[in-house]
Amino acid sequence: GESVGLHLPTLSVQEGDNSIINCAYSNSASDYFIWYKQESGKGPQFIIDIRSNMDKRQGQRVTVLLNKTVKHLSLQIAATQPGDSAVYFCAENIDAGGTSYGKLTFGQGTILTVHP
Amino acid sequence: NAGVMQNPRHLVRRRGQEARLRCSPMKGHSHVYWYRQLPEEGLKFMVYLQKENIIDESGMPKERFSAEFPKEGPSILRIQQVVRGDSAAYFCASSPPPRGQNIQYFGAGTRLSVL
Repeated sequence: GESVGLHLPTLSVQEGDNSIINCAYSNSASDYFIWYKQESGKGPQFIIDIRSNMDKRQGQRVTVLLNKTVKHLSLQIAATQPGDSAVYFCAENIDAGGTSYGKLTFGQGTILTVHP
Repeated sequence: NAGVMQNPRHLVRRRGQEARLRCSPMKGHSHVYWYRQLPEEGLKFMVYLQKENIIDESGMPKERFSAEFPKEGPSILRIQQVVRGDSAAYFCASSPPPRGQNIQYFGAGTRLSVL
């Protein structure tokens, strides 16, 4: 069935380094992807999104790359800060336009730890 | 501009009791989604509602679970006769009508503990 998964469950970096978090998806029909950040005891916080007709999108200190050929998504965080420490989830919309359009499918998450 | 509001933040129930979780969407949002998160796992979709309508309940267990989003008031996720396996964090999200994108904004969640 459809799934969204992550290659690395944990990532530790030094403050100031760049971080790359990866995500694989299996449903080629997915056409919309979102990255969320979740801090301990809080709800997921929207970071950045990308549609399948794009291969790159940039935000403030973050960049999302989409490779539809290999069904791979990545989140790049520049100059990582201790406040970036959290669990990062990718999520996808399956069957966009159908009744499940509202349904996001989440990956398991990657724990990012930033050391001062 | 208040975000998605969920209450209670923590809920303790004994096996067999009922749990009622409430969610008020962001202002201007007419679409509500409920997700469940087990420890160290991602969020699992449960149900998608619009005002007075259930759009997609494919993630809802067949028994004991129900959801509503009435014309007035918050969305309610109701769990009857709770069991220990229902212990989890339940998150509500809201969005404006999805049009080519579907950014969902999440509340802080309700952490349900079943004793």
